[in-house]
Amino acid sequence: AQSVTQLGSHVSVSEGALVLLRCNYSSSVPPYLFWYVQYPNQGLQLLLKYTSAATLVKGINGFEAEFKKSETSFHLTKPSAHMSDAAEYFCAVTTGGGNKLTFGTGTQLKVEL
Amino acid sequence: DTAVSQTPKYLVTQMGNDKSIKCEQNLGHDTMYWYKQDSKKFLKIMFSYNNKELIINETVPNRFSPKSPDKAHLNLHINSLELGDSAVYFCASSPGDKEAFFGQGTRLTVV
Repeated sequence: AQSVTQLGSHVSVSEGALVLLRCNYSSSVPPYLFWYVQYPNQGLQLLLKYTSAATLVKGINGFEAEFKKSETSFHLTKPSAHMSDAAEYFCAVTTGGGNKLTFGTGTQLKVEL
Repeated sequence: DTAVSQTPKYLVTQMGNDKSIKCEQNLGHDTMYWYKQDSKKFLKIMFSYNNKELIINETVPNRFSPKSPDKAHLNLHINSLELGDSAVYFCASSPGDKEAFFGQGTRLTVV
């Protein structure tokens, strides 16, 4: 069984501030982990992925995430928020082998001036 | 070129009607999915097909019937639409063991 918990359904930051979106996972086997972003009325776009290589993963738009097995976490960060980062962010887990992606409940990021 | 395309993008229909949503992917992936996103943005898998064969059916009502004529297409037919079926439906494809690539979604509104 696999699951994902995203702490904080809404996160608000000032433009230029650090972005930290939290994700904790549960998996009985080594997981593959992903962050997706969804802009209003759009589909989901892959930001970055962890597939058992480097634990610090860099993605698009300046985002990165670190896989911490001891904490079962895969938090998403960005050093400096931009207005264009305002969107819904989803963490997802799979165990591979054609298994489904299981999504967290999402975190809406608001960026204020 | 759009990798995963769904049609229509918007669908408004009356209760009791039957409707279909089409999905095509040009990525050469073997696995395709249908996900439902409810009004609270929660994403839940409905079906998964691998090379035209159903491999996941997540306790979806029988009124929902997926069909995969070939591995590049996965259509979703819904009979006797209900108000609770209103949602955004996403098609996705995957090379089979990692990330999924999503279409733009179909916003279904049942009135």
